[in-house]
Amino acid sequence: DAGVIQSPRHEVTEMGQEVTLRCKPISGHDYLFWYRQTMMRGLELLIYFNNNVPIDDSGMPEDRFSAKMPNASFSTLKIQPSEPRDSAVYFCASSARTSRGRDTQYFGPGTRLTVL
Amino acid sequence: GQQLNQSPQSMFIQEGEDVSMNCTSSSIFNTWLWYKQEPGEGPVLLIALYKAGELTSNGRLTAQFGITRKDSFLNISASIPSDVGIYFCAGLTTSGTYKYIFGTGTRLKVLA
Repeated sequence: DAGVIQSPRHEVTEMGQEVTLRCKPISGHDYLFWYRQTMMRGLELLIYFNNNVPIDDSGMPEDRFSAKMPNASFSTLKIQPSEPRDSAVYFCASSARTSRGRDTQYFGPGTRLTVL
Repeated sequence: GQQLNQSPQSMFIQEGEDVSMNCTSSSIFNTWLWYKQEPGEGPVLLIALYKAGELTSNGRLTAQFGITRKDSFLNISASIPSDVGIYFCAGLTTSGTYKYIFGTGTRLKVLA
């Protein structure tokens, strides 16, 4: 398996522009997570999906952030309008809930977002 | 957001030395995961633990699931320069939700 795939790897944009980050989870995984990582706040969970349904979006900073998962193999995180304080590395991760309780979570390589 | 207490925050060690780090929580977890993150990359899963008291090895790495289910430990034996990175623990909580709670990370630097 190719692992979790994210695109783009790097994004530089100007304040006010719309940004869309993309993720393809590992095939067969039924959970998908979006995280944000900064030096100040570490790894923060933004939102997670189970079977394409958003379960917990309490970590989404504000209404400028939205996430969708139209099918089991694709998810997007959108920021509109973007602001400089959104600059961070955004990770997508996926996991499979097993009946034996041996769950694991795998991360993508991340998207480094810079908002000027 | 919620984070686990991970210590130490950073370590500078000589090549060949052993390393120990730990994570503690006020909550009980069903699963503990340990990750390593290198600059410009995503966290890579090193070891997964599923039972209280479980001891699991992956090469020079050994991790343990604490008996109380509120802590976990990672040891690296005979460190080498490529062990440099940030190590994160993560606990999986399934009570009321399904979330991985992450530690604050231990930054490891190995001096050759």
